[in-house]
Amino acid sequence: SQTIHQWPATLVQPVGSPLSLECTVEGTSNPNLYWYRQAAGRGLQLLFYSVGIGQISSEVPQNLSASRPQDRQFILSSKKLLLSDSGFYLCAWSLPVGTAQRAFFGQGTRLTVV
Amino acid sequence: AQKVTQAQTEISVVEKEDVTLDCVYETRDTTYYLFWYKQPPSGELVFLIRRNSFDEQNEISGRYSWNFQKSTSSFNFTITASQVVDSAVYFCALTRGTGRRALTFGSGTRLQVQP
Repeated sequence: SQTIHQWPATLVQPVGSPLSLECTVEGTSNPNLYWYRQAAGRGLQLLFYSVGIGQISSEVPQNLSASRPQDRQFILSSKKLLLSDSGFYLCAWSLPVGTAQRAFFGQGTRLTVV
Repeated sequence: AQKVTQAQTEISVVEKEDVTLDCVYETRDTTYYLFWYKQPPSGELVFLIRRNSFDEQNEISGRYSWNFQKSTSSFNFTITASQVVDSAVYFCALTRGTGRRALTFGSGTRLQVQP
């Protein structure tokens, strides 16, 4: 069966510090991978999605970047965090294009930038 | 462009009441998929249902039911005889049937079920 791991669960970082959130998927090959952010009391906003290794699409201009160094690994990064980067970050995967499937979500990372 | 609107920001009901969560969507695609997810306090998103644009049959799963109406671009979710464990934020979402498959979410409805 497929599983998705996302860590850390919570993170408190000072403004200006770097960020690295990691997400890995097990039990499937060539998944579509996604990073979403949920600001406090708001809906989920798509940040990045990837259909393959090294293929990243950015949805909104921001202080963040994403990378996919391996088929089932998706990393969200920042060189210098801003206060506005605080939020709940969710990684998700779905089966590749050509099959209309639900997205499976990780347990999320609650990031507080202080 | 796709858009999902959940006009109800927060709903509070007393246990055993029925409650309907509204969802209205916009898309230019003829093939698309609609979803409902539940987000309990732990934060993880729990999948509830997926419906494709060609299937307008209503669905019932236990105390949950969904009413999909293409004519009004709505995909409403009803919980019958609500329970305290139903307290959560509920998200409606939309994805294209072809091409880019990322979900477009509504802003969510927070449901509080009081004992």
